Amino acid sequence: EIVMTQSPVTLSESPGERANLSCRASQSVSTNLAWYQEKPGQAPRLLIYGATTRATGIPARFSGSGSGTEFTLTISSLQSEDFAFYYCQQYYNWPPITFGQGTRLEIK
Amino acid sequence: QVELQQWGAGLLKPSETLSLTCAVYGGSFSGYYWSWIRQPPGKGLEWIGEINQSGTTKYNPSLKSRVTISLDKSKNQISLKLSTVTAADTGVYHCARTRVGFYNYYMDVWGRGTTVTVSS
Repeated sequence: EIVMTQSPVTLSESPGERANLSCRASQSVSTNLAWYQEKPGQAPRLLIYGATTRATGIPARFSGSGSGTEFTLTISSLQSEDFAFYYCQQYYNWPPITFGQGTRLEIK
Repeated sequence: QVELQQWGAGLLKPSETLSLTCAVYGGSFSGYYWSWIRQPPGKGLEWIGEINQSGTTKYNPSLKSRVTISLDKSKNQISLKLSTVTAADTGVYHCARTRVGFYNYYMDVWGRGTTVTVSS
């Protein structure tokens, strides 16, 4: 099973600032990585797949980078609606599909 | 606009069987895989398993002996059964439309989730 580790667990940033969220895989997953946003009481939302491709309707301030074992989700200028939980997910080798434990992005 | 609506029993006793249904509205049912994912309280997401249009399933090895995912094409519904539940099965359960391709496997539409609590 491929283990995904996200850091930090909690990230405190101010609106308008740039946020970098990290995801590390226990072995190479190539670019077979997705990112999701989750807010309490709402359905998770797909942000990025293929490590770098924005999903339909996702604002350009969200970008993904990385390959192999190291990945980053960058939010270039934080909006109030961006404060949420973020999860990475690998699909290089399954079953099982595996997710990171999540990063909570909170307002500083 | 595709919408996934979920329902099922929210409170179970240990050893009972969890049973959830997910209905697909407003979009195509065929041509996609469908997954179930859960989230224990205070923890991350855990993939439970998937089913394709042929009814072929794949399950998380950690749950495989207890899980059954099925689909009803006539009703555009997907079902999840998890037998012999314990408190460790408490959490929010989501169904999700899943795009599967040669280089892709991601969930692009999610249900809001059903909270399941296992308690005696």
